Amino acid sequence: DQQVKQNSPSLSVQEGRISILNCDYTNSMFDYFLWYKKYPAEGPTFLISISSIKDKNEDGRFTVFLNKSAKHLSLHIVPSQPGDSAVYFCAAAGTSYGKLTFGQGTILTVHP
Amino acid sequence: DAMVIQNPRYQVTQFGKPVTLSCSQTLNHNVMYWYQQKSSQAPKLLFHYYDKDFNNEADTPDNFQSRRPNTSFCFLDIRSPGLGDAAMYLCATSRKGLAGDNEQFFGPGTRLTVL
Repeated sequence: DQQVKQNSPSLSVQEGRISILNCDYTNSMFDYFLWYKKYPAEGPTFLISISSIKDKNEDGRFTVFLNKSAKHLSLHIVPSQPGDSAVYFCAAAGTSYGKLTFGQGTILTVHP
Repeated sequence: DAMVIQNPRYQVTQFGKPVTLSCSQTLNHNVMYWYQQKSSQAPKLLFHYYDKDFNNEADTPDNFQSRRPNTSFCFLDIRSPGLGDAAMYLCATSRKGLAGDNEQFFGPGTRLTVL
């Protein structure tokens, strides 16, 4: 039973354009959502997060949108850069101690 | 730089031969986690320590054990590795582990191969 799903295994975008990565969840107890970025041979690194009391959080080129009624969140990267090419994981947490449930990841490739 | 270190980065073991993976942190975080990630799948939490308090996930096989002798170190022991245990093992830490403060810091992972 996969509670966090990233339905697109991969996404290819031209440099300078917008990248939109999507994530759906099923557990209504989740109240905190995070995006992680992972380069090959490295561990995931935290990118941006959003609490369920908000519907948008922005940090530079990265914006996360949360639609609680649809149990959907998305990560927008504008403008996309070749250095953004990586695997992006969506993760969700509820009230239990720091436990994160991850999606399976989306491979983003940004072409020069 | 404060960080999460995993050794070794690559580990090869034989079917049934016990293996230990290690993780250390210089962040002084309360919580340490072990995840298993198989190819093209989501990282799956195996267990975590909140200080010395051990928390096992319900579906973590008995074959997997963990030790945390002090704040800085945490070990993953696989007592009898099977071919299905070949995966990337990720260690992570977080400061408090409570909801709303869930940012976890990951090590680079140990890739385990079982022959």
